[in-house]
Amino acid sequence: EAAVTQSPRNKVAVTGGKVTLSCNQTNNHNNMYWYRQDTGHGLRLIHYSYGAGSTEKGDIPDGYKASRPSQENFSLILELATPSQTSVYFCASGGRQISNERLFFGHGTKLSVL
Amino acid sequence: GDSVTQTEGLVTVTEGLPVMLNCTYQTAYSDVAFFWYVQYLNEAPKLLLRSSTDNKRTEHQGFHATLHKSSSSFHLQKSSVQLSDSALYYCALSVYNQGKLIFGQGTKLSIKP
Repeated sequence: EAAVTQSPRNKVAVTGGKVTLSCNQTNNHNNMYWYRQDTGHGLRLIHYSYGAGSTEKGDIPDGYKASRPSQENFSLILELATPSQTSVYFCASGGRQISNERLFFGHGTKLSVL
Repeated sequence: GDSVTQTEGLVTVTEGLPVMLNCTYQTAYSDVAFFWYVQYLNEAPKLLLRSSTDNKRTEHQGFHATLHKSSSSFHLQKSSVQLSDSALYYCALSVYNQGKLIFGQGTKLSIKP
């Protein structure tokens, strides 16, 4: 079973502060994703990556940056956190052709911005 | 753009009865695949089933879905639900070579004893 590990599991941040969410996968998947989960909106794609050094904007990238320094690691960065970014964030990884494969999700990071 | 719609936020069903969770989509592409993911309480979402073939029934863990491109739908069904089926269910769409998965809003399935 593919392993995707997120850290931290819970985070409380102050408005205007910087937040970094980390994700590590151990299955050599090319693609990695950051989603946020909100009731009524489902899972919305923030950023994704096709491999080390690449990042792509998803459907709701504003206010977020992403970094993929290696095949295993993919970070989500909130430079100036706002209360509207309070949410549960999921990282996921998948093979090169995700239409034929499944995504493996981490257990999520619950972020509260006060 | 591409989108997936799940109109029911919450579906409540009595144990042993059938259920259908609705999923419709919009896309301009023909090379597409569809998924149902399930998320149990305090767990990560995981794949339930997948299909890319029009009018072909796909089954897993007692659930089944059939892709109908004529009506742009991929509804999830089960003939007899169990208490353990209580979870959040997501329908999702992937366009070949676009490298991303687009999810619907999710439907919470609650099973009454």
